[in-house]
This record gives sequence, C-alpha cells and structure tokens, in this order.
Amino acid sequence: QVTLKESGTGILQPSQALSLTCSFSGFSLSTTGICVSWIRQPSGKGLEWLADICWDDGKGYNPSLKNRLSISKDTSNNQAFLKITSVDTADTATYYCARQGMGISFDYWGQGVMVTVSS
Amino acid sequence: DIQMTQSPSSMSVSLGDTVTITCRASQDVGIYVNWFQQKPGKSPRRMIYRATNLADGVPSRFSGSRSGSDYSLTISSLESEDVADYHCLQYDEYPNTFGAGTKLELK
Repeated sequence: QVTLKESGTGILQPSQALSLTCSFSGFSLSTTGICVSWIRQPSGKGLEWLADICWDDGKGYNPSLKNRLSISKDTSNNQAFLKITSVDTADTATYYCARQGMGISFDYWGQGVMVTVSS
Repeated sequence: DIQMTQSPSSMSVSLGDTVTITCRASQDVGIYVNWFQQKPGKSPRRMIYRATNLADGVPSRFSGSRSGSDYSLTISSLESEDVADYHCLQYDEYPNTFGAGTKLELK
C-alpha cells in the first residue's frame, strides 16, 4: 500500500526558511524510475509544481522560484525533503508531495500540509 | 514554460449531463497529460493518465481524449459525486505545469 505524508513548519515569518518532509511507504526512491514531486496550492487557487527528485538523485526545479528551492532525499528512511528560502506571504499554501515515475505519474498524493507565512 | 490553458474556469451542471473540460497546450506535450479531480479539503486524485488512460478505480463514465494540442476530460452522465474541481497537468517537459482548474457547480 502506497502512502505519503507531508510534515513541516506550520507558521513562519517572512524571510525565514521553510523545511518540508515527505515520508512515504509502499515504494522506494532507490527503485529505478521512481521520483517524488512537490506541488503547492494557495487557498482557493490552482496547483503549482515546485520540484522533483528521482531514484538517481536527478532533480528538477520550477524556475519561477528562482534559486529558493532545494530538494533532497533520504532513501534509507523513505523521505524526501524540500527547502524554500526567503519565504514571503505568497508562499502561504498547502504543500503536497506525490509519487511520480515511469508509468506511475502522480498516482499517489499525500494529504498536504498547510503553511502560513505571516508577520 | 509550457502553458496549459484550461477551459472553462467554471461550469454550472445538472445531474445526468455530459461534461467536457479542455486544456490546450502551448507546445507539443505528446501523451503526457493527466487529469485530476479535487474535492474541498482533499488532495488531488488522478483520474486520467497519459491523456487517455483511466486510472485505477475511476468510473468508466470518465474518459480522456486528445486532438492535436487539445486535451479533454469528459464525464458522461454526471453524478453528484463528480461535482468537484478538475485540473490538467503536463509532465512532458520541465517545469511540469497545471491548468488553472475548472470548478463544477450544480445548477
């Protein structure tokens, strides 16, 4: 059974760094072709893909967030991480992680974690 | 970035209707388009993958099609449980990009 669950800082102040963890089970990020993506959604708005990390440590980033994103993984503990530096109110959103890969594109999603940036 | 222009942004529907939502890709994305359903407070659920393939457990009244750069999600004989937001996604090229979403509302 595939499950993913996000966790991270719930409330931050502008300019702080946001750290998110995606803990998953039922698959491994060491399996060829498997990736984990991060996606976010401001309340009442659409979805925005942020970044992904794959079994071979390949990484993809959304250039709209310039150099603020950093994605990493801990294969042994079945976790993927996303860090966003210098947050501002526009980063307030629900953040999701999702499984991705050859033939299994975005088939399973976590429940999401709400992040609020406020002074 | 590839733009996925999704239409309509909202639709007033009745039970039993046939509903079609479309995304137009600004560049060729081949078959790499998914459709997701999202209900309030819930995570997106994959409905269609690779443009035309029905995801596991999805009712057969849902279907996906492609005509050139236009991708469509069709719901035949709409049921109450289908009232939700729908999103398209292209994952052919980085950055992956979503359409702006379509909100189905009951008349």
